[in-house]
Amino acid sequence: GENVEQHPSTLSVQEGDSAVIKCTYSDSASNYFPWYKQELGKRPQLIIDIRSNVGEKKDQRIAVTLNKTAKHFSLHITETQPEDSAVYFCAASIGGGSYIPTFGRGTSLIVHP
Amino acid sequence: DGGITQSPKYLFRKEGQNVTLSCEQNLNHDAMYWYRQDPGQGLRLIYYSQIVNDFQKGDIAEGYSVSREKKESFPLTVTSAQKNPTAFYLCASRAGGPIDTQYFGPGTRLTVL
Repeated sequence: GENVEQHPSTLSVQEGDSAVIKCTYSDSASNYFPWYKQELGKRPQLIIDIRSNVGEKKDQRIAVTLNKTAKHFSLHITETQPEDSAVYFCAASIGGGSYIPTFGRGTSLIVHP
Repeated sequence: DGGITQSPKYLFRKEGQNVTLSCEQNLNHDAMYWYRQDPGQGLRLIYYSQIVNDFQKGDIAEGYSVSREKKESFPLTVTSAQKNPTAFYLCASRAGGPIDTQYFGPGTRLTVL
């Protein structure tokens, strides 16, 4: 089955800095890679996703890059703000049909004012 | 955020008792999922259902049971056979077919006393 490794487990940055979270996956058939943000005690919410037919996707301060050859994908947050503080999860799956994502263990991002 | 509800938000159980967690969605989604979340563990799949009256075990199904008698409802029973049930439980749904986005409920925090 799929295995997803996520690093780092904790990331501490100053407000305004950039943050990068990296995930690697094992199943070359995976083609859908979502990222979720989970604030303390709240539900995970999708913030961005990417499919294997593109290498990069941006949405304002957030971007995701995908390297299919190396089987890794990364979340980039620029100009971080205190409200970006949360746990971020990556996931990998074969999209469509019987969709069963495998999640990384999460990264706790702390943005210091 | 709306569309998926879980109840109760907090649940306390004595050892040896079965308890049922509720998950309801009004999104007309075909697929529903139950995840368990422990600190540093990410999201682990307990059970999932792609259509009504059908469900499959996930990675950590032992000690849990589900039913899917209605499209909008996917209750999870934590039985006394589950050795360490204290955790945060998340329900999710997905439209089905080629649409991969999962939407999560607010979660139920179960504590065994």
